[in-house]
Amino acid sequence: QSVLTQPPSVSAAPRQRVTISCSGSSSNIGNNAVNWYQQLPGKTPKLLIYYDDLLPSGVSHRFSGSKSGTSASLAISGLQSEDEADYYCATWDDSLNGYVFGTGTKVTVL
Amino acid sequence: QVQLVESGGGVVQPGRSLRLSCAASGFTFSGYGMHWVRQAPGKGLEWVAVISYDGSNEYYADSVKGRFTISRDNSQNTLYLQMNSLRPEETAVYYCAKDPPYHGTGSYPESWGQGTLVTVSS
Repeated sequence: QSVLTQPPSVSAAPRQRVTISCSGSSSNIGNNAVNWYQQLPGKTPKLLIYYDDLLPSGVSHRFSGSKSGTSASLAISGLQSEDEADYYCATWDDSLNGYVFGTGTKVTVL
Repeated sequence: QVQLVESGGGVVQPGRSLRLSCAASGFTFSGYGMHWVRQAPGKGLEWVAVISYDGSNEYYADSVKGRFTISRDNSQNTLYLQMNSLRPEETAVYYCAKDPPYHGTGSYPESWGQGTLVTVSS
């Protein structure tokens, strides 16, 4: 019942490009920066993208973020087997007065 | 480097209380806001609460408002989560996380601990 909606899963072959969408509203994505997290199987979440499109130090430039209106996207180019993970968008929601995570997307490398 | 170590998890009966702790090291704890985030088995991430660097401001998810309390002791570099009236559906791994070092980008979980499992069951 998250206010941020993501597709449950996406898949592609190695070296291909995938995009994950994150749909929100004016009280969250439309008015606040979006962050993305990667959670590898059995691991702790890791910040992947912050402030819509910025990469923390050490994150591969194969990952990129974008935002338009009340939607955001994460793109992974040159897909690798190590990218198989769950990905979550997140942002502050002004109406809820709290931080919210998206529903999560599982990326599978075929 | 940043280290966050949660403790205090375990099995607790529905309706009872539990207090989680998060010991911080490797950074100036008193300079950063801190969060609790939880993840039920096989489910997605759910933000629980945040407290400002000096403890003057707290925000909670609607699902825990009035039952959970986030607090901190900057002299001990420790974050707490007092959980009352626990429910079975709150069985989850509870993570503590610190705010980012990137000035002007807002308050959000940046570095995460390994988590502590809370099981609410009779």
